[in-house]
Amino acid sequence: EVQLVESGGGLVQPGGSLRLSCAASGFTFSRYWMHWVRQAPGKGLVWVSRISTDGSSSIYADSVKGRFTISRDNAKNTLYLQMNSLRAEDTALYYCSLYTSSLPAGFDYWGQGTLVTVSS
Amino acid sequence: DIVMTQSPDSLAVSLGERATINCKSSQSVLYSSNNKNYLAWYQQKPGQPPKLLISWASTRQSGVPDRFSGSGSGTDFTLTISSLQAEDVALYYCQQCYSTPYTFGQGTKLEIK
Repeated sequence: EVQLVESGGGLVQPGGSLRLSCAASGFTFSRYWMHWVRQAPGKGLVWVSRISTDGSSSIYADSVKGRFTISRDNAKNTLYLQMNSLRAEDTALYYCSLYTSSLPAGFDYWGQGTLVTVSS
Repeated sequence: DIVMTQSPDSLAVSLGERATINCKSSQSVLYSSNNKNYLAWYQQKPGQPPKLLISWASTRQSGVPDRFSGSGSGTDFTLTISSLQAEDVALYYCQQCYSTPYTFGQGTKLEIK
């Protein structure tokens, strides 16, 4: 059974940093591109970032480019999101997700999310 | 970026009646080389992550009831629930997977009338 478990969220002051983790199990982690998607309280879904299978390629939403860094450790089956220079508008539930089809057909697996709150 | 616009923002339908949610993309999400529309539909219930209902605009995921169907091509898409059940009350999102950023629609809140 595919499981994605996010952790690392919490309360941080504006300008601060946080590193999120997503522990994956139940599938061959190294074979799949991985994504982060966020959802501000009471708001819609926003795609944040994607990383290739070997970590050599990544892409970001404009809103986080230059501040967030996605990475992965295939030996530990873990996805990361390093978030720096955090702003109030980064407050959200952060999900890791993936699509298991050979082409991007939609994200068929999601974690439960980890909540990041940016506030003084 | 491709902008996804859903309509309506909210919808109230009687039990057993049809519910229709529309999604329009600012540019085509039909990939000509394989004739696939890179459009997905999700259902999200309170306190839960989204659940993928439909891929490729019209392919139902395993285990999704057949009252859910997707249609459309190019820039205009529709999610239809043929006979609304109480458990279908949720938020529904469309998403394009044609190009990054993989943008979502703003969501449609479906309620019972």
